[in-house]
Amino acid sequence: QSVLTQPPSVSAAPGQKVTISCSGTRSNIGNNYVSWYQQFPGTAPRLLIYDTSERPSGIPDRFSGSKTGTSATLGISGLQTGDEADYYCATWDSSLSGLVLGGGTKLTVL
Amino acid sequence: QVTLRESGPALVKPTQTLTLTCTFSGFSLTTSGMCVSWFRQSPGKALEWLARIDWDDDKYYTTSLKTRLTISKDASKNQVVLTMTNMDPVDTATYYCARIRHGEYYMDVWGTGTTVTVSS
Repeated sequence: QSVLTQPPSVSAAPGQKVTISCSGTRSNIGNNYVSWYQQFPGTAPRLLIYDTSERPSGIPDRFSGSKTGTSATLGISGLQTGDEADYYCATWDSSLSGLVLGGGTKLTVL
Repeated sequence: QVTLRESGPALVKPTQTLTLTCTFSGFSLTTSGMCVSWFRQSPGKALEWLARIDWDDDKYYTTSLKTRLTISKDASKNQVVLTMTNMDPVDTATYYCARIRHGEYYMDVWGTGTTVTVSS
């Protein structure tokens, strides 16, 4: 059971926008930065968003991050078939003194 | 260029101790704010955080495995070692190390992972 809650799957058509939610508590999302990762089968995760809404160099601006209270959201616009992957949110939990992650969301681009 | 590479046995027997090494380059674990974490991912399952070690030798462990894990570093060799005792078939997974930034807690560079199977 993951500390952060993500929907198991989301889907949308090419060109559309999709959002992936990540729900936590005050001790994790509520008081710390959130990061997001993309993972293709058989490969290591890749950083998509850090500090809740910042994109590393090389990540297109189709990817965006935001946070409200104890929930964070990853947005992906202009969906492409190459975006089909698993997406994870992560943050530090001040009460647990540990990193916590979501259970992952599988994105299907129909 | 920052890189990390995991190494260790591909197969361990139940009850044995697993020792994994993360060898990195492009940064130093003597630099303030630098940290390295270990993760694992069982087949078809979600990523799981295991442990973190900081430049100042502070260490953190996931609660559920705390009694079985030990993380250490050899900054002169640019290596971080994770040991996990009393291995069980449920510990079969791909193990990853990643650089993590203190305070912001995001993993900006990951190793490619090493797969460990626990079987007699």
